[in-house]
Order: sequence, then C-alpha cells, then structure tokens
Amino acid sequence: GQQLNQSPQSMFIQEGEDVSMNCTSSSIFNTWLWYKQDPGEGPVLLIALYKAGELTSNGRLTAQFGITRKDSFLNISASIPSDVGIYFCAGYNAGNMLTFGGGTRLMVKP
Amino acid sequence: NAGVTQTPKFQVLKTGQSMTLQCAQDMNHEYMSWYRQDPGMGLRLIHYSVGAGITDQGEVPNGYNVSRSTTEDFPLRLLSAAPSQTSVYFCASRGSMSGNTIYFGEGSWLTVV
Repeated sequence: GQQLNQSPQSMFIQEGEDVSMNCTSSSIFNTWLWYKQDPGEGPVLLIALYKAGELTSNGRLTAQFGITRKDSFLNISASIPSDVGIYFCAGYNAGNMLTFGGGTRLMVKP
Repeated sequence: NAGVTQTPKFQVLKTGQSMTLQCAQDMNHEYMSWYRQDPGMGLRLIHYSVGAGITDQGEVPNGYNVSRSTTEDFPLRLLSAAPSQTSVYFCASRGSMSGNTIYFGEGSWLTVV
C-alpha cells in the first residue's frame, strides 16, 4: 500500500514553544488532512488542504500543502498543555483512498 | 448529536471466536469505512463502502467481513479471531456534502487472547 512517512514520531517540548511536524510520500495526493487524537478518542479533523501550495490556519495551527503534492507540514505556535496528543497526517490519492501517516506523539512540559 | 456510534467500546475474545463490531451513523453519509490502529502504524483501512449494497477491500482486509444493507449501518465481522487482530478499531463516515471531512467513532478496543 501507499506509505506516508510522518516525522518526528514523538516530541517532548516546553510549554510556549512552537512545534513543527511533516509528512512525505512517494506518491501524489490530491488532498491533505491533519487530525488530532486524544487518548481513548477517535481522530478529530484539524485542517484540510485541497490545493498545492495552499497554506491554511486554524487558530494556533498552520498547515501547508506542498508544491510537489507529495508533502505537507503542520505547525503549532505557542504550545499549551492541551495540545498533548497524537497528530496524524492523511492524504487522498487519485483513487480517493485515504492513507494515514504513523502519527506524531506530542508531549508538553508545563 | 450522535454522529458515528461504535459498539462495543471494549471486548476480549478467545482465539477462534467470532464477533461483530457495530457501527451506525445518523448523518446520511454515503461513505463508511473501518480502520484498525496499531501502535506506531497510524490507521490502516480494512474495508469500506461507498453506498448501501456496495463494499470493497482496503489495505488489510484478511480475517474481516463487512456488509452494508442500509445507509446507516456498517458492521465489521471477525470470522475467527486471532491474536494479530488485537487492535483498536475505528469506524468512520463521510458524505458528499461534507467534502473530505471524515467523522470517526470513538473506537473499539479489541483484545484477542
């Protein structure tokens, strides 16, 4: 199956720091999605990106759809304790199948 | 405000037992899918359905069956449970009016011993 390589796998940061994570693929995706999953819950959509080069913000979160359509990044500015969780990238290919990255586990020190 | 409802939340099975994970959505979504989530693996697609009466295999379909007799329901059946099927299972749905937004259930934690 298609692979989405998400990095880093985990991050342990100080409250107030900015966070950056990214996803890369060997295949082109038509849509990139970023999800957050809290413990014991299902993933919740944070940001959806539909066009190459698109930069979209949602509060302290900013995500970009790479120009090559093979990558995307998510930034979180001024992290707070409730940002703790697992962040997943996901992408739709031309066949409209959704593939998920392996996740980035974010831990925040108060 | 139900969205996607999955049951049971937790289940322990013995190897060889069969069981069905239930999934229902009340948003009239055409597309429904089942994922499994293993540590460090992200979510992997098991089976999906683009509408009532239509199902197809995802990335990891072996050992699982699905059916879609109604728009609302998409049960996942484990025919003969194996320890390798110990995982967290998520049902999800998406509608043509919701764009590419997928709505997930809260998950079902399955342990096969």
